[in-house]
Amino acid sequence: NAGVTQTPKFRILKIGQSMTLQCTQDMNHNYMYWYRQDPGMGLKLIYYSVGAGITDKGEVPNGYNVSRSTTEDFPLRLELAAPSQTSVYFCASSHPTSDYLYEQYFGPGTRLTVT
Amino acid sequence: GQSLEQPSEVTAVEGAIVQINCTYQTSGFYGLSWYQQHDGGAPTFLSYNALDGLEETGRFSSFLSRSDSYGYLLLQELQMKDSASYFCAGGTGGFKTIFGAGTRLFVKA
Repeated sequence: NAGVTQTPKFRILKIGQSMTLQCTQDMNHNYMYWYRQDPGMGLKLIYYSVGAGITDKGEVPNGYNVSRSTTEDFPLRLELAAPSQTSVYFCASSHPTSDYLYEQYFGPGTRLTVT
Repeated sequence: GQSLEQPSEVTAVEGAIVQINCTYQTSGFYGLSWYQQHDGGAPTFLSYNALDGLEETGRFSSFLSRSDSYGYLLLQELQMKDSASYFCAGGTGGFKTIFGAGTRLFVKA
């Protein structure tokens, strides 16, 4: 199993541009999450999904959108990029029969710079 | 508000034992997880406490006391490779996980 994969690894955006961060997991996990991590800080939940077609906002959803059309994929869309969105973005997933706090599996991250 | 507080840095010697504390202020607190993150890497799961008490996994142990709104991660027989950031994470239900700012552990030879 590849686990959780994310593309791209790095990206530089100009202010006002848009992009989609891709996330795929091959563990058949229903629960998926998007976090951002600013330098020297913990992770903040952007959006999460409990299954295909079901998404909800986390702690910091403004400026982002998500969709979940399949169990495997959970893309994150940035519209009108701003410098405040410069961060490292992590996608994660967890198994529905486990407590959701138990063992979230993280992808390698996407390092995004907005200038 | 909802927050988890951790010390920003801890330094210890190889072979020693170190404890990283986490205090929380959340309503409807659910449980406490611990993650390790090396520089440039992704967080990896270490331990989880759904109930009060101690959970042991090899060299790592984690403790939770709901009455004291407090937990800790204990690392024994420290190795150089344990130098990393350690995050506590709590949940308030509804799948919204909240992470602490992290504790950077430096292990010295």
